Amino acid sequence: NAGVTQTPKFRVLKTGQSMTLLCAQDMNHEYMYWYRQDPGMGLRLIHYSVGEGTTAKGEVPDGYNVSRLKKQNFLLGLESAAPSQTSVYFCASSYIWEQYFGPGTRLTVT
Amino acid sequence: DAKTTQPPSMDCAEGRAANLPCNHSTISGNEYVYWYRQIHSQGPQYIIHGLKNNETNEMASLIITEDRKSSTLILPHATLRDTAVYYCIVMPGGSNYKLTFGKGTLLTVNP
Repeated sequence: NAGVTQTPKFRVLKTGQSMTLLCAQDMNHEYMYWYRQDPGMGLRLIHYSVGEGTTAKGEVPDGYNVSRLKKQNFLLGLESAAPSQTSVYFCASSYIWEQYFGPGTRLTVT
Repeated sequence: DAKTTQPPSMDCAEGRAANLPCNHSTISGNEYVYWYRQIHSQGPQYIIHGLKNNETNEMASLIITEDRKSSTLILPHATLRDTAVYYCIVMPGGSNYKLTFGKGTLLTVNP
């Protein structure tokens, strides 16, 4: 039981490049989430999903897209990366109460 | 949603109890109190949650005042590995997607 895994762990992008972050969970959770955390700040919700095939906007959705084609996977896409998207990205999943978080992806956009 | 107020930092001696306070004076009747923590550079970890009764699990105890306007997370025997940022969050039950993280309290456990 791996819990929540994220790929990749680190990435450096140039401004304007695109990339996809992958989140996978093996707990059969319905809910999945993408957060970003900037230095010295708490986590901010980007997008979330309440089930396969569904997505919804969180607090800071601009510049990101998501897809939940399979229940166990939640993808976060950056179509045209900007330096302001330099951050640590955390994925999480949940059933009813507590959220389980992945180890994070450190993204730097130069 | 109710907002929370936590001290920015606290210290605790190893082996002693750590008591982390949280004020949530505007909490609504259907909102739960959740506690998470984040050890440096790791993803947050769920600790405990409660509605109005005191709760205890293998990690911590949660004490909620009778008027529900404040709560205290208690780590009974703090260790160095408990050094982390602790987040107090309130949100409606069954609405897990409304988890909103503030700046939390940095607890430093000293040897």
